Amino acid sequence: AQSVTQLDSHVSVSEGTPVLLRCNYSSSYSPSLFWYVQHPNKGLQLLLKYTSAATLVKGINGFEAEFKKSETSFHLTKPSAHMSDAAEYFCVNTGGFKTIFGAGTRLFVKA
Amino acid sequence: DAGVIQSPRHEVTEMGQEVTLRCKPISGHDYLFWYRQTMMRGLELLIYFNNNVPIDDSGMPEDRFSAKMPNASFSTLKIQPSEPRDSAVYFCASSRQTLQGWSTGELFFGEGSRLTVL
Repeated sequence: AQSVTQLDSHVSVSEGTPVLLRCNYSSSYSPSLFWYVQHPNKGLQLLLKYTSAATLVKGINGFEAEFKKSETSFHLTKPSAHMSDAAEYFCVNTGGFKTIFGAGTRLFVKA
Repeated sequence: DAGVIQSPRHEVTEMGQEVTLRCKPISGHDYLFWYRQTMMRGLELLIYFNNNVPIDDSGMPEDRFSAKMPNASFSTLKIQPSEPRDSAVYFCASSRQTLQGWSTGELFFGEGSRLTVL
């Protein structure tokens, strides 16, 4: 079965501190995993993708994610949060004909 | 290159009226998806097409909802009659397909159509 679970519905960090948004997946196929970001009143935008090449994937705006097969995880990180990072983030698992979105994690960034 | 284009961006209508939302996918993309987003239910997949053919419409909530893709560059989502609980943001997204025919999973989203049914 294919699924994706975002472990936190909300994450709050201070500006300049690290960001960690957690995502676990399950897949019958070799997974293709993605992170998307949605700013208020906007559509979703691709941040980064994993498609069985390097396990550490770098994306836009300083974000990166590490694919860990042993932990079935694909957590999103950023060393230093910026106010403009405040948004909702979706982890996505694609395998076969299914594209499964996580429930989303809303990131709050405090000044 | 233009992205996914949706219209209208905002629609306010009264209960019982017909609503038609439109989407132009990115040229060359093989998959088209319709999503609905609300605070209560989050992002829900309504239906998706591959090469203009509906593949899975199990997410369409009721018979009041219908979607068509008459050609590779245009799709509509219609609600008739509309109800207040249909108020949401409706997103269209498109993607390419892999050699096996699956979606690559790299979806390109439009800006959404915000529907308010009074």
